[in-house]
Amino acid sequence: EVQLVESGGGLVQPGRSLRLSCAASGFTFDDYAMHWVRQVPGKGLEWVAGINWNSGKIAYADSVKGRVTISRDNAKKSLYLQMNSLRPEDTALYYCAKDTGAYGDYGSGFDIWGQGTMVAVSS
Amino acid sequence: QAVLTQPSSLSASPGASASLTCTLRSGINVGSYRIYWYKQKPGSPPQYLLRYKSDSDNQQGSGVPSRFSGSTDASANAGILLISGLQSEDDADYYCMIWHSSAPVFGGGTKLTVL
Repeated sequence: EVQLVESGGGLVQPGRSLRLSCAASGFTFDDYAMHWVRQVPGKGLEWVAGINWNSGKIAYADSVKGRVTISRDNAKKSLYLQMNSLRPEDTALYYCAKDTGAYGDYGSGFDIWGQGTMVAVSS
Repeated sequence: QAVLTQPSSLSASPGASASLTCTLRSGINVGSYRIYWYKQKPGSPPQYLLRYKSDSDNQQGSGVPSRFSGSTDASANAGILLISGLQSEDDADYYCMIWHSSAPVFGGGTKLTVL
């Protein structure tokens, strides 16, 4: 079964850090680019970051640039999001998502999504 | 002005058809973009429905029924998700997405109510 399972969310104080993980199964992980997308409960979707198959191409949304780092470990079939200097406006459900793009590049649709991990930033 | 604008809500009757629009900001030509559509039910992650740019450049998501289809309206500079034969399970939020300036951008979503 093709599956993405996120973990690492929780309640954290402003200014602190958190590392999210996403474990992939059921597909050849290192054939595809991956992304993090977040959603404030009851609101819309916001792309956070993307990474191509070999980590040679990475991009971030302006809202998180300089505070988050996306990475992957193909041997472990895992995607990560290191989040630093967290702000209350980072509170959201964070999804990892698989890109459909060919040759491991991103720039296409997201065909597989995890169930998400909730991050709450509050004092 | 947002890159992608979707009506916040739409209602339609079971068995009818619904056209969900995704209007691109002035200066961004719909004919130049692949538009991706997603469906999201409460408490669930988004589900990939399809991609549409033209009749020769489109892709249906795996397992997505053919009653979901895409098109564009060049005069309105909009992408359209057409759902025919509406069913109660189509009651959901629908999001469009494009890649613009090397980053994916989502529309604000349309809540489709089937009643």
